[in-house]
Amino acid sequence: KNQVEQSPQSLIILEGKNCTLQCNYTVSPFSNLRWYKQDTGRGPVSLTIMTFSENTKSNGRYTATLDADTKQSSLHITASQLSDSASYICVVSAREYGNKLVFGAGTILRVKS
Amino acid sequence: DGGITQSPKYLFRKEGQNVTLSCEQNLNHDAMYWYRQDPGQGLRLIYYSQIVNDFQKGDIAEGYSVSREKKESFPLTVTSAQKNPTAFYLCASIPRGGDPNSPLHFGNGTRLTVT
Repeated sequence: KNQVEQSPQSLIILEGKNCTLQCNYTVSPFSNLRWYKQDTGRGPVSLTIMTFSENTKSNGRYTATLDADTKQSSLHITASQLSDSASYICVVSAREYGNKLVFGAGTILRVKS
Repeated sequence: DGGITQSPKYLFRKEGQNVTLSCEQNLNHDAMYWYRQDPGQGLRLIYYSQIVNDFQKGDIAEGYSVSREKKESFPLTVTSAQKNPTAFYLCASIPRGGDPNSPLHFGNGTRLTVT
């Protein structure tokens, strides 16, 4: 069973609209939760890292939230741009496994004009 | 500019041949990692190295080998023993191994196709 589940698998939105991507995890206890952005054919780039004591973190138009009680995180993108088209990957650092990183399969976002 | 360079970007090989993927970093990072990415799956750890001349197997090390003779370099060899080698391979690094809050810096990957 996947320990990090992301939804939806893919999403299409119009430029300028907002969207929210979801991440549910079963990894426990964990050190931190990360969101990465991966453009097609490129390596992932870090957007945010949150420890279990943080419940929100922003990076420009990207805002990540974390509810450690329900083991859920979301990534909210405001006023989307064409350049936001990418795969967004949720990653949980598992404290009991030496901080091993467990990767979700990602949500593919396409922003169209 | 500091970063991680992976080469080549695309690699084609015949089944049964070994192939080596290059990963070089000029970030002065101690720890380096190799991941494999397949469609619809999360990244999976192949090998990692926290210091020079030392490396550890990850979750899917079978059919792969690595070396870490220099801090800057962490090449990955995909051997003929790897049953399904066609994938996108990503190299990554962090300043110090074992730091739980350090973001991974990734290279731009090598897409390997074996026919």
